[in-house]
Amino acid sequence: QSVLTQPPSVSAAPGQKVTISCSGGSNNIGANYVSWFQRLPRTAPKLLIYDSKNRPPGISDRFSGSRSGTSATLGISGLQPGDEADYYCGTWDSFLSSYVFGTGTKVTVL
Amino acid sequence: QVQLVQSGAEVKKPGASVKVSCQASGYTFIDYDINWIRQATGQGLEWLGWMNVKSGNTGNAQQFQGRVTMTRDTSIDTAYMELSSLRFEDTAIYYCARAPAKYCKKKGGCYGGYNWFDPWGQGTQVNV
Repeated sequence: QSVLTQPPSVSAAPGQKVTISCSGGSNNIGANYVSWFQRLPRTAPKLLIYDSKNRPPGISDRFSGSRSGTSATLGISGLQPGDEADYYCGTWDSFLSSYVFGTGTKVTVL
Repeated sequence: QVQLVQSGAEVKKPGASVKVSCQASGYTFIDYDINWIRQATGQGLEWLGWMNVKSGNTGNAQQFQGRVTMTRDTSIDTAYMELSSLRFEDTAIYYCARAPAKYCKKKGGCYGGYNWFDPWGQGTQVNV
C-alpha cells in the first residue's frame, strides 16, 4: 500500500497543461525532497524532477515541480501525444527509513 | 554515457530464489549507491532496498526483510539483488537504479535518504 497518494488519471487536449498532485505526510514529503518519474509504455522509468523542483539535463522545461508542506505537484505544459505515460512521485520516508512511491497517475492526451 | 544493464528474464518456481545482476558503466561505480525497485503488471512502483556500493552496507523495505540480499562485485562494476522464498506475487519487472551515495561511517551505519534515481536499468522480468 503506497504511502503517497496521486490521482489515478488526468487528461487534457494537446497544448494544454495538466497538474498531478502527490499527497504525503510529515515524515516523507514534509521532510524530504521529492522526485518525479515518467514511465512510458514498455520502458524503464525516467527521472523528470529531482529535489522537488529541479530538472535533470535533457528534460524539457515543459515539466515543472513544486512542493508545499506535505504535498508536491508535477506540472506538464504544452501537452504532447508523447507525454502519454504513467507518472510517479517518490521520496524518502524518514520514519520508515524507506523510499516510498506514489500510487501513480496515468496521463492521457485527448 | 551512464548506463545500467541488467541480466535477462527469469522463470522460477515458488520457494526458489532469483538473482538479478546490474552492470554499471560510464561512471565511477563506488561513488554512488544502487537501489532496487520492482513493478508488477498493473501495479505501481515498489521499492525493495538500497546498497552503498563503497561500503557494501544495505537496507531494505520492511516487507522484504529476510528475503532480499544485495551484494556487489566492484571488480566488474556489478550489483546483485537476490530474492528468496519466491511467491507468485513476486512476479514483476525488477529494476536497479543509481542514486547518490549515502553518508556511511567507517565503523557504523549509513545515513540520509535519496533525492533521485537516475538512470534506471532496462528491467528484468521475473516470473514465478
